Amino acid sequence: ETGVTQSPTHLIKTRGQQVTLRCSSQSGHNTVSWYQQALGQGPQFIFQYYREEENGRGNFPPRFSGLQFPNYSSELNVNALELDDSALYLCASSFPSSGSTYEQYFGPGTRLTVT
Amino acid sequence: QKEVEQDPGPLSVPEGAIVSLNCTYSNSAFQYFMWYRQYSRKGPELLMYTYSSGNKEDGRFTAQVDKSSKYISLFIRDSQPSDSATYLCATTKGSNYQLIWGAGTKLIIKP
Repeated sequence: ETGVTQSPTHLIKTRGQQVTLRCSSQSGHNTVSWYQQALGQGPQFIFQYYREEENGRGNFPPRFSGLQFPNYSSELNVNALELDDSALYLCASSFPSSGSTYEQYFGPGTRLTVT
Repeated sequence: QKEVEQDPGPLSVPEGAIVSLNCTYSNSAFQYFMWYRQYSRKGPELLMYTYSSGNKEDGRFTAQVDKSSKYISLFIRDSQPSDSATYLCATTKGSNYQLIWGAGTKLIIKP
């Protein structure tokens, strides 16, 4: 069983640019959630995808968008990058089932630096 | 007021000590509580989760929830230097069970 993988590991972008982050969910998991973790803080929920549809969104502007593909992998896109977007972006996968707590399993994250 | 509050530390204890990590939360409707461990520059790793009030034990780790005081705890017995990490508490919110997190407590176990 493979765990959650994310790519790239680290990237540096300039303010105003666009970026795409990728996530492959754990085998058998059909739900992907994205979180932003600023340095020294807990993660903040961005949005969740379930069976290719957005299933909830946190307090993030529309320039944060996402996709989920038929194989349940996912992308996070951020347009018009701002300095405050510098953070660790975490992807978590889960398999909601009756009586489940929606346990979420995280990838290693993508560290984005905006200069 | 943040929905989940957690002292960021750092908390430094000698090897072998019992460690107590704590969080408080604001919404009495929260029911599921998780503890994650995060090593530097890595993703969070799920340690334990509990539902409602009570205790749950897994090896050297015990998670405790007191819903009357909205207080959650993680105890680590016989602490090891390899336990040095940031420990994050979280709870679930909404029908999609999105995670609401504390800030994380940095724990340092001194050999």
